[in-house]
Amino acid sequence: DGGITQSPKYLFRKEGQNVTLSCEQNLNHDAMYWYRQDPGQGLRLIYYSQIVNDFQKGDIAEGYSVSREKKESFPLTVTSAQKNPTAFYLCASSPRDRRPYNEQFFGPGTRLTVL
Amino acid sequence: KQEVTQIPAALSVPEGENLVLNCSFTDSAIYNLQWFRQDPGKGLTSLLLIQSSQREQTSGRLNASLDKSSGRSTLYIAASQPGDSATYLCAAPGGGTSYDKVIFGPGTSLSVIP
Repeated sequence: DGGITQSPKYLFRKEGQNVTLSCEQNLNHDAMYWYRQDPGQGLRLIYYSQIVNDFQKGDIAEGYSVSREKKESFPLTVTSAQKNPTAFYLCASSPRDRRPYNEQFFGPGTRLTVL
Repeated sequence: KQEVTQIPAALSVPEGENLVLNCSFTDSAIYNLQWFRQDPGKGLTSLLLIQSSQREQTSGRLNASLDKSSGRSTLYIAASQPGDSATYLCAAPGGGTSYDKVIFGPGTSLSVIP
């Protein structure tokens, strides 16, 4: 089955720790995205990548970092510089090479809690 | 810059009722709009993607319409069921050169009462 996987499902972080959230897709999509969702709010874009070895900041990139070394993988690191990281993190991908270019497909999400 | 809003924020209806969810966007130069469903603690599931060349898109009991001139899209749910209870989000392209990005509305939380 084609799809997007995220791990872990739940993640707990201590103050001052960096943690990495995994996102893998086997849809052969070029573009991948990371969103943050806070209770009762819509999704806000953290980072996105249109192609391997390239990525751009979204609206709330401060305190986060990403890499895109492989087409299938787009890990997100939440650094200690992110002051309020407790949230639900969603990864998505889109084909980019065929219409509709920006149709988004989502993973199941990772819930990060700071202890 | 594209902004997306959704009305109402929450909706509670009795089972069997037909209902309409609204989505508004500020940049009408869009080429599509996507509707999603999100269950609590889950990722987003794509329901419908409607192209700018289409006025409507249907899937089962769901019908989405798009009116670019007025900056509005509606999601019509026929004969609502308790299983339809979820949050519904719409997303429109970011506009300008940001064709890879989409902007999400805050969602409408739907509760269908048996």
